[in-house]
Amino acid sequence: QQQVKQSPQSLIVQKGGIPIINCAYENTAFDYFPWYQQFPGKGPALLIAIRPDVSEKKEGRFTISFNKSAKQFSLHIMDSQPGDSATYFCAATRGSTLGRLYFGRGTQLTVWP
Amino acid sequence: DTEVTQTPKHLVMGMTNKKSLKCEQHMGHRAMYWYKQKAKKPPELMFVYSYEKLSINESVPSRFSPECPNSSLLNLHLHALQPEDSALYLCASSQGRGAHRETQYFGPGTRLLVL
Repeated sequence: QQQVKQSPQSLIVQKGGIPIINCAYENTAFDYFPWYQQFPGKGPALLIAIRPDVSEKKEGRFTISFNKSAKQFSLHIMDSQPGDSATYFCAATRGSTLGRLYFGRGTQLTVWP
Repeated sequence: DTEVTQTPKHLVMGMTNKKSLKCEQHMGHRAMYWYKQKAKKPPELMFVYSYEKLSINESVPSRFSPECPNSSLLNLHLHALQPEDSALYLCASSQGRGAHRETQYFGPGTRLLVL
């Protein structure tokens, strides 16, 4: 059973567009929600993370929106650039699981110039 | 500095070979992880070491043998692998203090091909 559901599987936008990636979870014990960005042949790199007591967090062009009651969170990329083309994974974790990360299936983002 | 290094970058081995993957971090982190990642899939947790002790083994076959010689190093010993074990093997580390709300930092991975 997948603990974190992520959509869409792939996303194509033009430069300057605002891709949105959505994730949903069921386990209310999750208390930390990171997003990772992965380029081909590289390891995942932490992009931004949020805790459930915050509804929105922004870092540069990347924004996480968090809806605790709906158990959903999403990543928005403002003014997307071709260099943002990568696979994005949302994840969730809870304090009792020794940092075990539950990943979504990933979204492959392509930004056309 | 949030760097986790892994060697080698690429590895090709036969099914009868023995090889080792190495991971190193100098961030003072006390939790280290091995993940396996297949193409177009998320990383799958294999092992977790906390304070140099094996804390989690995700029912990984015995042909994979982890080792944590000290708090900065993590090895993965490989023996008698199968072609389906071909994947990107990722190492990660985190602070390890109770593991609550911790950020995991990943290395670049070792691309393994088993022939």
